[in-house]
Amino acid sequence: DIQMTQSPSSLSASVGDRVTITCRASQSISVYLNWYQQSPGKAPKLLIYAASYLQSGVPSRFSGSGSGADFTLTINSLQPDDFASYFCQQSYSTPWTFGQGTKVEIK
Amino acid sequence: EVQLVESGGGLVKPGRSLRISCTASGFNFGDYDMTWFRQAPGKGLEWVGFIRRKVYGETTEYAASVKGRFIISRDDSTSIAYLEMNGLKTEDTAVYYCTRERVAIFGVIIMDYWGQGTLVTVSS
Repeated sequence: DIQMTQSPSSLSASVGDRVTITCRASQSISVYLNWYQQSPGKAPKLLIYAASYLQSGVPSRFSGSGSGADFTLTINSLQPDDFASYFCQQSYSTPWTFGQGTKVEIK
Repeated sequence: EVQLVESGGGLVKPGRSLRISCTASGFNFGDYDMTWFRQAPGKGLEWVGFIRRKVYGETTEYAASVKGRFIISRDDSTSIAYLEMNGLKTEDTAVYYCTRERVAIFGVIIMDYWGQGTLVTVSS
């Protein structure tokens, strides 16, 4: 199975800050990498797919980059709705696996 | 509007069975593969398995942790996907989500819509 490792596991930030979350795969997965946001008590929501493509309806302050084994999710100008958990997920091979998540908290 | 609504969760004793449902609307259900995930309380997301659409023979694939105990099926006439869980264990306690799976750019598989989830608690 492909292991996905995110860092940090949590971070504190203020509204307006720029936030960067990293995700590393245990092997090269090309661009088969998606990012999801999960607010407390809610289902995950697709933000970024294929490493850098913004899902329809997602604000442009979210962006993704990377290929191979190293990926980054960036949130520019953090907004109140962005305080949530973020997960990376590989769809290179089954079983689809996720990073352990990064919780973005209000400073 | 695409909607996925899970139902049928609840409290069940270890060793027993439970079937949960995912009712889809707002899209042509038969054109999509459907995938189940779960999330134990306070934990991360775990893939449970998927069922391909009819044109691909409705084939299924499962996570090692549930293979041989869980069965995914679908009824395209009613737009419902099912997850039948047998021989339940306490470690199966989780919120179960159904998702619509599709192929995006470069052949990347994405789960673009998720249900709200249904809680399954396995406890004596």
